[in-house]
Amino acid sequence: AQSVSQHNHHVILSEAASLELGCNYSYGGTVNLFWYVQYPGQHLQLLLKYFSGDPLVKGIKGFEAEFIKSKFSFNLRKPSVQWSDTAEYFCAVNTNTGTASKLTFGTGTRLQVTL
Amino acid sequence: KAGVTQTPRYLIKTRGQQVTLSCSPISGHRSVSWYQQTPGQGLQFLFEYFSETQRNKGNFPGRFSGRQFSNSRSEMNVSTLELGDSALYLCASSLGTGVGNTIYFGEGSWLTVV
Repeated sequence: AQSVSQHNHHVILSEAASLELGCNYSYGGTVNLFWYVQYPGQHLQLLLKYFSGDPLVKGIKGFEAEFIKSKFSFNLRKPSVQWSDTAEYFCAVNTNTGTASKLTFGTGTRLQVTL
Repeated sequence: KAGVTQTPRYLIKTRGQQVTLSCSPISGHRSVSWYQQTPGQGLQFLFEYFSETQRNKGNFPGRFSGRQFSNSRSEMNVSTLELGDSALYLCASSLGTGVGNTIYFGEGSWLTVV
């Protein structure tokens, strides 16, 4: 079974700082990768996804992620964070042997952006 | 276009009771899945329904069940509630079940068991 690790549990950054959140998965086959964000009091929203093709994926709100197959990683980046990026970020994976809905999530990274 | 709608948003139940949560998917979406979110275990997949059939099931006891109706609405039921069932229950929908589909989440139903 696949698993997802997010090593940073809580990250505190000042506005305008650069962000990189780590995500590693364990699965030897083809994977589809996702980053979801959960703003305080709101539902999970899709930030970006990777299915195939260009390993550098751009998402909403200036976020991007890079799939590095050799490292089993899909790290999330943003060059300059804003206070409004304060939220919890979840990395998730599913496999081509599963279905779209059966996602395995990491434990999440809580990002706090200070003014 | 309305998103995934879940009712009720908040509820409190007593140990031993049962609870039914409801989910209306995005219009046109035929696949509905359910997740449990807790601080300790994070987001865990419960089950998935498509065309009124359960297509996938996570590692939860039989007290957790669900169903899907012909209009794609779904309900999940938890019987004989335990304190550990306190969680945010999330419903998600997608057009289909193929892995190329993206799933969209509702705001969740907060269940507290006392």
